[in-house]
Amino acid sequence: EAQLVESGGDLVQPGGSLRLSCGASGFTFSSFNMNWVRQAPGRGLEWLSHISYGSTVIHYADSVKGRFTIYRDNAKKSLTLKMNNLRAEDTAVYYCAREKYNDYWIDLWGQGTLVTVST
Amino acid sequence: DIQMTQSPSSLSASVGARVTITCRASHDITNYLVWFQQKPGKAPESLIYATSYLQSGVPSRFSGSGSGTDFTLTISSLQPEDSATYYCQQYKTYPYTFGQGTRLEIK
Repeated sequence: EAQLVESGGDLVQPGGSLRLSCGASGFTFSSFNMNWVRQAPGRGLEWLSHISYGSTVIHYADSVKGRFTIYRDNAKKSLTLKMNNLRAEDTAVYYCAREKYNDYWIDLWGQGTLVTVST
Repeated sequence: DIQMTQSPSSLSASVGARVTITCRASHDITNYLVWFQQKPGKAPESLIYATSYLQSGVPSRFSGSGSGTDFTLTISSLQPEDSATYYCQQYKTYPYTFGQGTRLEIK
């Protein structure tokens, strides 16, 4: 069964950094485009970043551009979101999400990991 | 960026009712629209992709339609387990954008 498992969420102070990881299993990770999506408490979904299966294409939302970096290690079947200069408004559950093979819609989500930015 | 606007923001309906949620895009997205269902404390799950194609395992009471800028999600006969928040999302162009969500409650 295909599965995504995020980790790394924590309480961090404003201006701090954090690295989120997503481990994939049950499918050929290296063949799939991946994304990060977040959801602030009680709010809707916000797409953050996309990385193609070979890391050749990367996109970011304006809200995180220049602060967040997405990358992947296909050999380790892992996806990472490096987050710098965190703000209170970055407080959210962060989801790792897979795009459908040969398509662009999200067909698989992880369970999410909570990032809290606060003093 | 393409703005996605859902309506209504919330609704309440009885078991067996027919429910329709609409999603409007600020620009033409042809049929690059997906609908998600999210239950409290859970990750979203895809229901319908490419506007009208049912994701594997999704009950046939769910359907989608539309093209260009106007789209609908319909539940033909509401069931108790359909209580959730529903989101539309365009994947025509980056940045991908979501509607604000429609909270569906069962009376």
